[in-house]
Amino acid sequence: NAGVTQTPKFQVLKTGQSMTLQCAQDMNHEYMSWYRQDPGMGLRLIHYSVGAGITDQGEVPNGYNVSRSTTEDFPLRLLSAAPSQTSVYFCASSYSGSDIQYFGAGTRLSVL
Amino acid sequence: EDQVTQSPEALRLQEGESSSLNCSYTVSGLRGLFWYRQDPGKGPEFLFTLYSAGEEKEKERLKATLTKKESFLHITAPKPEDSATYLCAVRGDNFNKFYFGSGTKLNVKP
Repeated sequence: NAGVTQTPKFQVLKTGQSMTLQCAQDMNHEYMSWYRQDPGMGLRLIHYSVGAGITDQGEVPNGYNVSRSTTEDFPLRLLSAAPSQTSVYFCASSYSGSDIQYFGAGTRLSVL
Repeated sequence: EDQVTQSPEALRLQEGESSSLNCSYTVSGLRGLFWYRQDPGKGPEFLFTLYSAGEEKEKERLKATLTKKESFLHITAPKPEDSATYLCAVRGDNFNKFYFGSGTKLNVKP
């Protein structure tokens, strides 16, 4: 059972570089979301999707883009990385309306 | 604005020493208060959902309770394996948005 898979696990970027954080789930979940976790600030919602082709902004969407072309995948794009985007990023998925979100193991990103 | 505040930030207990973690919240139209456990280097793992004041849920040594303004996670006779960060989250009028607190880091010493 793969569950929610995030790649890469670690990444170091230079300011201004772009990259895509990958998230895939094999549970046929409609709802997927991205969070960032910073010390003392908890998890903050970046973007979410309720199904293929449908995305919406969360609490802290600036500097991040998402798209959802399939049920399984929900990539997060940083177009021009900034040091303020140094964080641990978590992807989660669930059945639509479900209480239970399943989280990936996270991607630790450092922007120098 | 929907908001969650957890206290204390960190808690150190001796094995067997019971205690409680607090989660205070403000939300427009509560549609669920959630407790998660997070181990170092891992993603959060779901524990409980509570919907209305007076509701209680139990799992092994953990019991979650809910009032109109806060939730408590009671830990009875904890063991070292209960050491983790416990996160609280709420969902309000926007059913698709979850708001998390910053967590309580629990350390249980043998």
